[in-house]
Amino acid sequence: GAVVSQHPSRVICKSGTSVKIECRSLDFQATTMFWYRQFPKQSLMLMATSNEGSKATYEQGVEKDKFLINHASLTLSTLTVTSAHPEDSSFYICSASKPSNTEAFFGQGTRLTVV
Amino acid sequence: DQQVKQNSPSLSVQEGRISILNCDYTNSMFDYFLWYKKYPAEGPTFLISISSIKDKNEDGRFTVFLNKSAKHLSLHIVPSQPGDSAVYFCAAISSGTYKYIFGTGTRLKVLA
Repeated sequence: GAVVSQHPSRVICKSGTSVKIECRSLDFQATTMFWYRQFPKQSLMLMATSNEGSKATYEQGVEKDKFLINHASLTLSTLTVTSAHPEDSSFYICSASKPSNTEAFFGQGTRLTVV
Repeated sequence: DQQVKQNSPSLSVQEGRISILNCDYTNSMFDYFLWYKKYPAEGPTFLISISSIKDKNEDGRFTVFLNKSAKHLSLHIVPSQPGDSAVYFCAAISSGTYKYIFGTGTRLKVLA
């Protein structure tokens, strides 16, 4: 299977600061990447669809100014949580699909804790 | 509005027996379904998938059944092994969107 690498795996930050999470497809080009958020004991909720070279598409209820997504290349998408608050603490996961392929490959996830 | 539901949050099965995990969906536009396995603090790993044109797909110990009329799918694991203990998510996609809609997950515990 393809490899998607997510970094960092764990981050603790202070309230008010910004945190950047990287998602890389290591052995394939991903024109589309997805960002999910998982609350404890809950499902993975799709936050946004990241398209290479264009603006991300956000799901309803997700603040685009809060969660900045940049898909600068075919192998890298970044999610920046701006002005983080404790309620932003969560597990964030990215996924990438090969072109014309429905199977998605997931990163290892990032545990964000805002103190 | 939860379009993909897994009504059993947890399931315990004895080693060697069959594990059956269920998933229901409401959106008739979904035409591709997948099962993922997830350990704590890790990303999901793909297990098996099925297209809506099929009603069964088998891969080793894993079989997925799809009942389109009932908007229901299930994952059968047989024989179950302790290493299968994890949270299992079903996911659904509409053609062309590649947007995965996940169920709420079922925590499977296989007892040795």
